[in-house]
Amino acid sequence: EVQLLESGGGLVQPGGSLRLSCAASGFTFSSYAMSWVRQAPGKGLEWVSAISGSGGSTYYADSVKGRFTISRDNSKNTLYLQMNSLRAEDTAVYYCAKIPGPLYSSGWYAPLWGQGTLVTVSS
Amino acid sequence: DIQMTQSPSSLSASVGDRVTITCRASQSISSYLNWYQQKPGKAPKLLIYAASSLQSGVPSRFSGSGSGTDFTLTISSLQPEDFATYYCQQSYSTLGATFGQGTRLEIK
Repeated sequence: EVQLLESGGGLVQPGGSLRLSCAASGFTFSSYAMSWVRQAPGKGLEWVSAISGSGGSTYYADSVKGRFTISRDNSKNTLYLQMNSLRAEDTAVYYCAKIPGPLYSSGWYAPLWGQGTLVTVSS
Repeated sequence: DIQMTQSPSSLSASVGDRVTITCRASQSISSYLNWYQQKPGKAPKLLIYAASSLQSGVPSRFSGSGSGTDFTLTISSLQPEDFATYYCQQSYSTLGATFGQGTRLEIK
């Protein structure tokens, strides 16, 4: 079965760090770019970051640039999001999503999403 | 950043109704526009990509149209399972793939 499963969310204090994981199964992971999208409680969707299938190209929203790092381990079929210097406004459900191709480029869309993992930044 | 504005923000309709949701971009995005459906507590589900292409497995009552700055999502005959929140998303700009604010479709 083709699926994505996020983990690693939880409660963290402002200024703290957290690493999210997204385990992929049922498809050739390295052949697809991947993305992280988040949703604050009761709010809309916000694109966070993306990475090419090879891992050689990464992209970030201005709101997380310099604080978050996206990476992937194609040998483990796993996508990561390292989140540092966390702020209250980073509180959200974080979804990983599969992009139908190896490149993150104009025209991308996400036909497959994980179930999400909740990150709460609070003291 | 490219801003995406959906209208209406909320909508009440009945089973069997024809419903149209609009999405306007702050600049031309060609046909790089996608539509998602989200139900409470669930991940978004892709309905339409590239403005008018129906994602595999999505019922044919869903359709999309538009190009440039103005786009529409149409549900030809509402079914009970269609009551949800709908988001448009532009993917013209890779450094800021913005979503609309959402349209909540409720049962009348």
